[in-house]
Amino acid sequence: AQSVAQPEDQVNVAEGNPLTVKCTYSVSGNPYLFWYVQYPNRGLQFLLKYITGDNLVKGSYGFEAEFNKSQTSFHLKKPSALVSDSALYFCAVRDGRGSTLGRLYFGRGTQLTVWP
Amino acid sequence: DTAVSQTPKYLVTQMGNDKSIKCEQNLGHDTMYWYKQDSKKFLKIMFSYNNKELIINETVPNRFSPKSPDKAHLNLHINSLELGDSAVYFCASSGGQGNGYTFGSGTRLTVV
Repeated sequence: AQSVAQPEDQVNVAEGNPLTVKCTYSVSGNPYLFWYVQYPNRGLQFLLKYITGDNLVKGSYGFEAEFNKSQTSFHLKKPSALVSDSALYFCAVRDGRGSTLGRLYFGRGTQLTVWP
Repeated sequence: DTAVSQTPKYLVTQMGNDKSIKCEQNLGHDTMYWYKQDSKKFLKIMFSYNNKELIINETVPNRFSPKSPDKAHLNLHINSLELGDSAVYFCASSGGQGNGYTFGSGTRLTVV
């Protein structure tokens, strides 16, 4: 069965400091991994994805994520947080074998707050 | 040009009414989805259609009925609305395994 865990409901960080939002996953085949961001009263926006290749993937707004197969993790990172990064972040996984008909499994979300 | 558009954006209605939410995508994607986001922000999949064919039907009351007239449209009709149906409903589309979803901006449904 596919699943995603985001162990922290909330992450608080000071502006200018590095941030990490954690995600671990479980899939039967090779994982396709995604991060999405949701600003208040908005839909989810794609940030970045890992399909194959380099374990460090770079995405929108200066975010990056590192795929770690042995730890089944895909943590989202940014070297220097901005107040405008405050939002709800979702990690998602899809089984790369294609047997799930494209369905993404989402984590429960992590609320990131960056304070000035 | 909005990629995935939902209408209406807000919907306030009384218990027992029937309402519909429409979704259209202009991305040429084959697969479309309906998700429900509750007050705790959890995302729960409801339905998925691939080329007008229903492929995912989660445990959803049969008061909820999706309809896909063509692969660019996926509408959601809800009969006999209940207070617990109040949530934000998101439509999304996907163009393939290696791609994620493109989401609409959501429909905030409030049942009073």
